[in-house]
Amino acid sequence: GDSVTQMEGPVTLSEEAFLTINCTYTATGYPSLFWYVQYPGEGLQLLLKATKADDKGSNKGFEATYRKETTSFHLEKGSVQVSDSAVYFCALSEGTGGGADGLTFGKGTHLIIQP
Amino acid sequence: KAGVTQTPRYLIKTRGQQVTLSCSPISGHRSVSWYQQTPGQGLQFLFEYFSETQRNKGNFPGRFSGRQFSNSRSEMNVSTLELGDSALYLCASSWTGFGEAFFGQGTRLTVV
Repeated sequence: GDSVTQMEGPVTLSEEAFLTINCTYTATGYPSLFWYVQYPGEGLQLLLKATKADDKGSNKGFEATYRKETTSFHLEKGSVQVSDSAVYFCALSEGTGGGADGLTFGKGTHLIIQP
Repeated sequence: KAGVTQTPRYLIKTRGQQVTLSCSPISGHRSVSWYQQTPGQGLQFLFEYFSETQRNKGNFPGRFSGRQFSNSRSEMNVSTLELGDSALYLCASSWTGFGEAFFGQGTRLTVV
């Protein structure tokens, strides 16, 4: 079945540091890929997405590129802020078989940004 | 535009009881999915409804069930609660059920 693997952390960085959170996936077809973010006490918010190979998703300074050859979708940001502290989830969706198969999530990466 | 609304936000139930959670999707969205989030298992897909029909189901026992009404609002029910059912239950809505989903804040269920 489908699966998503990402570092769980916690990942602790200083403000203005460069961020990379690795995400790799296993899928039977050609999935869409997503990064969701969860702030304390909140539900998940879509951060960015990519629907086909070589697509780059971007939002709020975050970027991720759909790499089919390495089955990866790593999240990057050039300069993190304290407000970026949250849990980040990589996810995929195939939607095959005539119905939505749901999102398959990684375990989540807890990011802590120190001032 | 109102987001996805889940009620109640918090619930405490006793083992063996049953519980019903409610989800109102974004206006116009016809797909509603449910997820269970626990520290050990992470986020797991429960089921998805589209136009009042269950289209897909995750690997959960039959104690977990759901339904969707004609206005796209959805409920999920858990019968014969077990301690391991304690979790954050998240509802997500989307236009078609494929890809991008918008999540509610969740219902925190504690089984004692």
